[in-house]
Amino acid sequence: ILNVEQSPQSLHVQEGDSTNFTCSFPSSNFYALHWYRWETAKSPEALFVMTLNGDEKKKGRISATLNTKEGYSYLYIKGSQPEDSATYLCAFIKAAGNKLTFGGGTRVLVKP
Amino acid sequence: EPEVTQTPSHQVTQMGQEVILRCVPISNHLYFYWYRQILGQKVEFLVSFYNNEISEKSEIFDDQFSVERPDGSNFTLKIRSTKLEDSAMYFCASSGYNTEAFFGQGTRLTVV
Repeated sequence: ILNVEQSPQSLHVQEGDSTNFTCSFPSSNFYALHWYRWETAKSPEALFVMTLNGDEKKKGRISATLNTKEGYSYLYIKGSQPEDSATYLCAFIKAAGNKLTFGGGTRVLVKP
Repeated sequence: EPEVTQTPSHQVTQMGQEVILRCVPISNHLYFYWYRQILGQKVEFLVSFYNNEISEKSEIFDDQFSVERPDGSNFTLKIRSTKLEDSAMYFCASSGYNTEAFFGQGTRLTVV
C-alpha cells in the first residue's frame, strides 16, 4: 500500500499572507507527482505535473517544489486570496504504473 | 475546452440494487479511471483501464464492481448488489500517457 500523506489537513490563512503545505510520498519507484486543486462542487483540476528531482513549477501565485530523494513536495501560495480557498490534493505515480495515489488533501480557507 | 462528463450527477438506490455510473472521457485520452470519495475520507483509487482492459485495480474493486467501455466513447462503472457502504462520490477521470488526469464532476451515489 502506497503511503501518500499531506499536512496539515487544513489551514486558515489571512488574505494577503503566504502559506505552504507538504505532500510526502515513497522515495523509491518514483515516476511523477501531481498537484490538483479541488474547489467545492467542482472536480479536481491539475495544477502541476512534476517529474524531476529539484523541479520547481509556478502558476501565478502558486508554486511547487519536488524532492524525490527524500520523498516530499511543497506547495506554496503567495499573497493568498479568498479565491485560493480549496482543497489541494497531491497524487503520486510510481514507476511502471499509471495509477494516481492521492493524499488526503490540505483544505485551505483564506479569510478576507 | 474538452471535459470529462459524468451522469447522473446524483443517484439514489436501494440496498441490493444494481447501479451503472456513466462517464464520457476526453476523446483522445488513453487511460481511464474510477475513483471514489466517501464523505470525510481520502480519494480512493478503484480501477484503471487501458487498451480495453483493466490495467490495475484496488482491493476495493471486488467482484461487485465491473467496468466497461462499450462503444469507444462511454466508460461505465457497474456496482452490483449495492451496500450502504458504497455511498460515496464517484469520480471518473481520463488522461493521456503519463499526463495529468482530467476529472468529471462526479456522481453522488446514495444507497438507502
